[in-house]
Amino acid sequence: AQTVTQSQPEMSVQEAETVTLSCTYDTSESDYYLFWYKQPPSRQMILVIRQEAYKQQNATENRFSVNFQKAAKSFSLKISDSQLGDAAMYFCAYRPITGTASKLTFGTGTRLQVTL
Amino acid sequence: SQTIHQWPATLVQPVGSPLSLECTVEGTSNPNLYWYRQAAGRGLQLLFYSVGIGQISSEVPQNLSASRPQDRQFILSSKKLLLSDSGFYLCAWDQGYTFGSGTRLTVV
Repeated sequence: AQTVTQSQPEMSVQEAETVTLSCTYDTSESDYYLFWYKQPPSRQMILVIRQEAYKQQNATENRFSVNFQKAAKSFSLKISDSQLGDAAMYFCAYRPITGTASKLTFGTGTRLQVTL
Repeated sequence: SQTIHQWPATLVQPVGSPLSLECTVEGTSNPNLYWYRQAAGRGLQLLFYSVGIGQISSEVPQNLSASRPQDRQFILSSKKLLLSDSGFYLCAWDQGYTFGSGTRLTVV
C-alpha cells in the first residue's frame, strides 16, 4: 500500500524568507502523481502544485517549487519570498495513474507559520 | 466552467440522528467523485468513491454510506450518527482534483 510521510508537524518562516517542507512516500508503482495542497483556516483544500513522476523536470508555480527525487521517493515543497498569506496547513498527497479511480493518499500535514 | 458544490457548510446533529450531505458538480459528465473525512488536526481519509451512477466503493468500514443517484450528484448518509462521526467532510472530483468547500459536522 502507498504511504505518505510528512515528518515536520510544524514549521516557521519569516516573511520574505524561504522555507522547505518535506515529504516522502512509498510506492511500488513507476508512474504516479504527487501533489501539494494548502489548507488555510477556512479549511478549503487548495491545490498548490502537481508533479508527474514521469517528468524529470521539477514543477514550479510562481513562488512555489518542488524538489522531486524519484529514486529517494522524496517530494519537498519550497516556498520562496514567504508571505503572511502562506500561513496554513500543507498536505503532500500521492495518486496512482493506473486503476479505475484516482484515489489520493495524504500525509498528516505540516503547519506553516509566517512571522514578521 | 467546472465547479463543485457542497452543502451544508456547518451542521450540528445529536447522536442517533440521520445525516445527509450533498455534493454536486457542474460543467462535466461522468466524473469520478470522492468523499474524504478529516479529523481535527489530521490528514484526509478517503471514505467512498464513485465512478458512475449507482457505483459506490467503500474504503473504510464505518457508520456511513454513500449513494450516486445522478451522474453529477454524490450523497453521504448515515441512519444513526455516532460521536465519532464528527469531523470535516470534503467532496472531491478528480478533474484537476478539485475539492468542495467542505462540511463541518459536530455530533453532540
